[in-house]
Amino acid sequence: DGGITQSPKYLFRKEGQNVTLSCEQNLNHDAMYWYRQDPGQGLRLIYYSQIVNDFQKGDIAEGYSVSREKKESFPLTVTSAQKNPTAFYLCASSMALLAGPYTQYFGPGTRLTVL
Amino acid sequence: ELKVEQNPLFLSMQEGKNYTIYCNYSTTSDRLYWYRQDPGKSLESLFVLLSNGAVKQEGRLMASLDTKARLSTLHITAAVHDLSATYFCAVAPDSNYQLIWGAGTKLIIKP
Repeated sequence: DGGITQSPKYLFRKEGQNVTLSCEQNLNHDAMYWYRQDPGQGLRLIYYSQIVNDFQKGDIAEGYSVSREKKESFPLTVTSAQKNPTAFYLCASSMALLAGPYTQYFGPGTRLTVL
Repeated sequence: ELKVEQNPLFLSMQEGKNYTIYCNYSTTSDRLYWYRQDPGKSLESLFVLLSNGAVKQEGRLMASLDTKARLSTLHITAAVHDLSATYFCAVAPDSNYQLIWGAGTKLIIKP
């Protein structure tokens, strides 16, 4: 089955700790995205990547870092510099052709809570 | 500033009724997406509208796009409880890979 997997489903972080959220896709998509969703809110873009070894900041990149060493994988690290990281994190992927963005498909999400 | 505004943000309705959710956007675009999110779950793609006048239908949901008015609508016909969810629209600005998201419309359909 093709799809996007995220792990863990739930994650608890202590103050001052860095944590990494995993995102893997087997859809052969070029582009991958990380979003943050706060309760009752819409989605805000953290980072996105159109191709391996390249990524761009979204609207709220401060306190987060990413890497894209493989086409299938786009892990997100929430650093201690992110002062309010408690949220629902969603990873997505899409085809990325010159004609523009295609439908983004989402993983099941990771719910991060700061203790 | 690029904006996508949905209204209403909250809608409670009875089963069997019809209603429309509106999505206005401030930038030029010929690509608009509708997604559904169940509580605590991820987002599911519903429709992609790619040109002015585009209309897509799936079951009791119908989406349309008017690029001149910068408006998309999601119409619900004879609502059933299973359609209770939060519905998001998102717009792809020309020549840009980022989507601009609306705040979502939380729809509750009462039996």
